[in-house]
Amino acid sequence: GENVEQHPSTLSVQEGDSAVIKCTYSDSASNYFPWYKQELGKGPQLIIDIRSNVGEKKDQRIAVTLNKTAKHFSLHITETQPEDSAVYFCAGGGSYIPTFGRGTSLIVHP
Amino acid sequence: DAGVIQSPRHEVTEMGQEVTLRCKPISGHNSLFWYRQTMMRGLELLIYFNNNVPIDDSGMPEDRFSAKMPNASFSTLKIQPSEPRDSAVYFCASSRAGGAGTEAFFGQGTRLTVV
Repeated sequence: GENVEQHPSTLSVQEGDSAVIKCTYSDSASNYFPWYKQELGKGPQLIIDIRSNVGEKKDQRIAVTLNKTAKHFSLHITETQPEDSAVYFCAGGGSYIPTFGRGTSLIVHP
Repeated sequence: DAGVIQSPRHEVTEMGQEVTLRCKPISGHNSLFWYRQTMMRGLELLIYFNNNVPIDDSGMPEDRFSAKMPNASFSTLKIQPSEPRDSAVYFCASSRAGGAGTEAFFGQGTRLTVV
C-alpha cells in the first residue's frame, strides 16, 4: 500500500515569512495529491490539490509542487499570517483510499 | 449543503460501556470513511464504505469495533466494550467517488474520552 512521509512535524515562522512542508510517497501509481488544513477543534479541510499531470499549482499565497520522478510534493505558503497557524496534512493514493501524512503543526508568530 | 454531520461532538463514557458514533455524509457522495486521530498515530483510516458496502476494514483495531452503513445517508461506528485506549477524536468523511482521487469532506469529529 501507499506510504506517505511528511516533514517537518512542527514548523515555527515569523509573520510574513514563507513556510514549506514536504511529503514523499511510495506508490508510483499515486496520481492525486491533496493538502488539508486542520484548525483547532475542526476536521481537516482541503486547501489545494494537484494531479500527476501537473508540476505546480498556485492559489494566491499557497502553492504545491510535484516531482513524480523523485516521488515528492511540497506545500509552499508565502507571506504567512497568524491565521495560517494550524496542522497541515498531505495525502496521496493510487488506490481508492487516501493515505495521510502525520501532519505538520505550523505556528506563525505575530 | 450542511456538510458531513457527526454526533455527538463529545462523548465521555466509562470503561466497558458501549459507544455509538453517528455520521450523515453529504448527499450524493458514495464513499464514506471513518478515521481515528491521536497524537501518537495521527490520522488512521478505520474503514471505508463505497455505495454503502464495506470495502476495506483492515484498519479496524479489533473485534470491539464495528461499523455499519444501512443506507446512503447514515453510518455508525460502535465500540463495545470501550477501553481507555480508545480515547481519540473520530472523524467521518465522505467523497463523491473513488476516495483517493477526489476531495474528502470531513465532519467536525467526535471527541471520545473513556475513563
